[in-house]
Amino acid sequence: GAVVSQHPSWVICKSGTSVKIECRSLDFQATTMFWYRQFPKQSLMLMATSNEGSKATYEQGVEKDKFLINHASLTLSTLTVTSAHPEDSSFYICSARRGNMGTFGSGTRLTVV
Amino acid sequence: GIQVEQSPPDLILQEGANSTLRCNFSDSVNNLQWFHQNPWGQLINLFYIPSGTKQNGRLSATTVATERYSLLYISSSQTTDSGVYFCALDTGRRALTFGSGTRLQVQP
Repeated sequence: GAVVSQHPSWVICKSGTSVKIECRSLDFQATTMFWYRQFPKQSLMLMATSNEGSKATYEQGVEKDKFLINHASLTLSTLTVTSAHPEDSSFYICSARRGNMGTFGSGTRLTVV
Repeated sequence: GIQVEQSPPDLILQEGANSTLRCNFSDSVNNLQWFHQNPWGQLINLFYIPSGTKQNGRLSATTVATERYSLLYISSSQTTDSGVYFCALDTGRRALTFGSGTRLQVQP
């Protein structure tokens, strides 16, 4: 149990375009999901907390207008990287909690060219 | 916020060797997990261990919450153990704060 599915696994997009990443909890409901970003050879950094039915909470330094988060149902949160630039290239991972334990999606590797 | 330090940052082992990875943290925690990140980026949950000792095959973990550290033991290492090991903690915000990781390379 406690499976989190994330799509796509990888995406390449042109500068200036937008990319949407989906995160689904498959066998449980998640009122809260978390989005992390990981640059090469670095640790995971929390970007934002996604709350079902309300606005996301962003960490300091994360542009909310650039990283749009929608959590419209108890099993789906989406992260849209708007007007992507090469510096947005990174590994994005979502997470949901079931009980006390965090479970992670398989991640999305975004390359902006 | 909470500080999470992992050591060593890098570790190279010969297959069959044992190792101990350490995670020090600066505040009391509600949740502590150890993860293995494979070369494809997937985070594999190894242990949920806010306190006490657990074992799963060749892996075991111990958390001494009162002294604010956790240890991950890997015995009889295999090449498939290679990757990055993270400890991650929750202090009540529900999101996990990750340590800087230990990059393990097991050579045949």
